[in-house]
Amino acid sequence: AQTVTQSQPEMSVQEAETVTLSCTYDTSESDYYLFWYKQPPSRQMILVIRQEAYKQQNATENRFSVNFQKAAKSFSLKISDSQLGDAAMYFCAYRLTSTSGTYKYIFGTGTRLKVLA
Amino acid sequence: SQTIHQWPATLVQPVGSPLSLECTVEGTSNPNLYWYRQAAGRGLQLLFYSVGIGQISSEVPQNLSASRPQDRQFILSSKKLLLSDSGFYLCAWSVRRDSYEQYFGPGTRLTVT
Repeated sequence: AQTVTQSQPEMSVQEAETVTLSCTYDTSESDYYLFWYKQPPSRQMILVIRQEAYKQQNATENRFSVNFQKAAKSFSLKISDSQLGDAAMYFCAYRLTSTSGTYKYIFGTGTRLKVLA
Repeated sequence: SQTIHQWPATLVQPVGSPLSLECTVEGTSNPNLYWYRQAAGRGLQLLFYSVGIGQISSEVPQNLSASRPQDRQFILSSKKLLLSDSGFYLCAWSVRRDSYEQYFGPGTRLTVT
């Protein structure tokens, strides 16, 4: 069964510094998608970044980038130049690919990121 | 543009009472719809998903049920709430095919007393 593991319940980073959040997953599929979602105190889930498993190149969105290691089944999120607004709960998620049009998403338990001024 | 609504935003219900949470999506057709529960300090647990009207798949056996009476309406129900049903409930949608990410509603905080 597919699982997603986030081993860091909480992380802290100094403002303007860089932090990396870890995520590992288990799957037997070769084609899938991975995501990082951000949940600020408002609890609205916001997509941060996504990665297609068939792509070798790591995804990047402004200050957010991933280190995707397919063989190791690792998908870490790097936040550069951390800002106070980055403080949130971050969830790693995996999407099961289906040809029938049914998609399921499996989420990790989350990492709470604190940004220190 | 697409929007997703959930109501109520907050709900306090006694044990044994019924529950009805509603989710509606605007600006898209034939979406996949999902209900998640987020317990305190935990991740998102998928409860139900639906690929069409009347088509419901359950992920976790429990005293909750879901229904999809219309294409863009998804309802989470219970006949008798338990204390363990307390949590934050999120509805989400994704495009039926060739979809990537999910889009989430604002959530409902349910407290069972």
